[in-house]
Amino acid sequence: AQSVTQLGSHVSVSEGALVLLRCNYSSSVPPYLFWYVQYPNQGLQLLLKYTSAATLVKGINGFEAEFKKSETSFHLTKPSAHMSDAAEYFCAVSLMFSGGYNKLIFGAGTRLAVHP
Amino acid sequence: EAGVTQFPSHSVIEKGQTVTLRCDPISGHDNLYWYRRVMGKEIKFLLHFVKESKQDESGMPNNRFLAERTGGTYSTLKVQPAELEDSGVYFCASSPRDRGHQTQYFGPGTRLLVL
Repeated sequence: AQSVTQLGSHVSVSEGALVLLRCNYSSSVPPYLFWYVQYPNQGLQLLLKYTSAATLVKGINGFEAEFKKSETSFHLTKPSAHMSDAAEYFCAVSLMFSGGYNKLIFGAGTRLAVHP
Repeated sequence: EAGVTQFPSHSVIEKGQTVTLRCDPISGHDNLYWYRRVMGKEIKFLLHFVKESKQDESGMPNNRFLAERTGGTYSTLKVQPAELEDSGVYFCASSPRDRGHQTQYFGPGTRLLVL
């Protein structure tokens, strides 16, 4: 069965420092993987997705993630944190069904704090 | 293009009362999903509609929850009677009916607090 583990419920970085949010997945088939972000008082926004094309995926706001099959990982990174990156980040794996729909299986989320 | 909208944004009710949440998907999206995040837990799937038909309601917690999708457009999720453990954030998402299109577009969520 598909599952997602996000290591670290809270991550704190200094402004300008590297951001690394960890995600490991379990999937019996080649996965589609997603990172969503929830800014304070807002909904879930798609950051980026992996769909079996390039293993390094670039998203919005300078984030990127690398799919590593051997490590079953899809970690999210950003070279230099900005105060506006403070939010909660969710990794998800897609469970596809016949009939053209899918379910998203989410990790527990990682809350990123950025301090000056 | 308007995104997924949800109403209300917040709801505070007492145990035993009824609450109805509404979701308007992106126009033209046949797939509509409901998810829930209980405090401190993962976001979990509740159910899925394709047009007006319930395709999968395996995540619905119990029969106090009733979801409908009138005419394949907007959807409502009714909780009756509400219990304390129903508190959380209820998200709605939609997507086109396309086997290759797995991205779901989420609304802002409804924050439900049952006292």
